[in-house]
Amino acid sequence: KAGVTQTPRYLIKTRGQQVTLSCSPISGHRSVSWYQQTPGQGLQFLFEYFSETQRNKGNFPGRFSGRQFSNSRSEMNVSTLELGDSALYLCASSRPPNTEAFFGQGTRLTVV
Amino acid sequence: GDSVTQMEGPVTLSEEAFLTINCTYTATGYPSLFWYVQYPGEGLQLLLKATKADDKGSNKGFEATYRKETTSFHLEKGSVQVSDSAVYFCALSESEGNTPLVFGKGTRLSVIA
Repeated sequence: KAGVTQTPRYLIKTRGQQVTLSCSPISGHRSVSWYQQTPGQGLQFLFEYFSETQRNKGNFPGRFSGRQFSNSRSEMNVSTLELGDSALYLCASSRPPNTEAFFGQGTRLTVV
Repeated sequence: GDSVTQMEGPVTLSEEAFLTINCTYTATGYPSLFWYVQYPGEGLQLLLKATKADDKGSNKGFEATYRKETTSFHLEKGSVQVSDSAVYFCALSESEGNTPLVFGKGTRLSVIA
């Protein structure tokens, strides 16, 4: 079956702009989580959505937001981009409870 | 808060050498423990997991045992291959749905022929 699909794979944005990233989970998976991966901070949890509701949130500023649609697809948005937002953004889907999280290949965002 | 500490890399080994990557954790409850692997240009793949003390997770020749007394979950493989070259992440989760995952910084493994 198809895996977790993230689009786009690569993005270059200018400081101050906003960006929207998309994640399509594995069919039947209703939980979608987002992580930020940087060389300095490693992998950090952003938020999790389940059945269109945010269930958990990490310690990120309000510029980072997300949503989930009725088909379980999720988007995350970053407004007023900063250079430090340059990272690989990973999405993971799962079918709770206590199930494996399947990760997408990520979207590499570069802010210049 | 919860945290995971794993050995700094990079680790360079010759093919067929023995591998150990150390991982220790701090958690308030009884977490599930995981090892994920990231190949170049890819997302993370679950390598193995253990959900309670003394459980041993294993997959593709890799093993790790959940040691509650030492709060450790060290990854081992008896004979590494060039194809094992990747970044390995130790992680924990205290939540029922295994979210959020708390990751270690990752250990880059390079295996040379």
